[in-house]
Amino acid sequence: SAVISQKPSRDICQRGTSLTIQCQVDSQVTMMFWYRQQPGQSLTLIATANQGSEATYESGFVIDKFPISRPNLTFSTLTVSNMSPEDSSIYLCSVAARMSSYNEQFFGPGTRLTVL
Amino acid sequence: AQSVAQPEDQVNVAEGNPLTVKCTYSVSGNPYLFWYVQYPNRGLQFLLKYITGDNLVKGSYGFEAEFNKSQTSFHLKKPSALVSDSALYFCAVRDQFGGGTSYGKLTFGQGTILTVHP
Repeated sequence: SAVISQKPSRDICQRGTSLTIQCQVDSQVTMMFWYRQQPGQSLTLIATANQGSEATYESGFVIDKFPISRPNLTFSTLTVSNMSPEDSSIYLCSVAARMSSYNEQFFGPGTRLTVL
Repeated sequence: AQSVAQPEDQVNVAEGNPLTVKCTYSVSGNPYLFWYVQYPNRGLQFLLKYITGDNLVKGSYGFEAEFNKSQTSFHLKKPSALVSDSALYFCAVRDQFGGGTSYGKLTFGQGTILTVHP
């Protein structure tokens, strides 16, 4: 299994500002994913980030609000832009070693974001 | 569209008793099913998966899950619960055919809070 770290682990931000979350993996992975877990809720996929191509966003999520970078096979960033209190959530990075539907995904520890 | 239901928001069991956390699913093709556990202030940890083969799948920490195609269920079980098993459990499903992509979206249930009492 991959070891995944996220920075920051938590942050408290002001409305209207932006926060960039980093995800680092200890091995090269094909696919990286960003999820949002709102308080008391399940996980919702924001986007899939593949190295060398534009991220693929799920319905309800747009690039202007959640720009993603994937410069190499071990690193990705998610930016939460122009934040509002509704963006208060845990943001999780996830990886899959190979592009196959039967492979499990591994998750980072999450970034707990509070927007005031 | 694929979906997962975890009908119980909370499950309470006494330490040493067997536990079951329920999950039902809906997919258009054959399902790939997963269980994850989330401890407070930590990310999700993979427990086990069903891809094909034996309906009873064994995973980490003594957990197992039973796949039942006719009932479209994938219940998580453990013969003897520990207080340390108390956590939030998520069932997830992916369609075999990936919804037209080579790597389909993983859909999560709402989660079940398991509390094991001493």
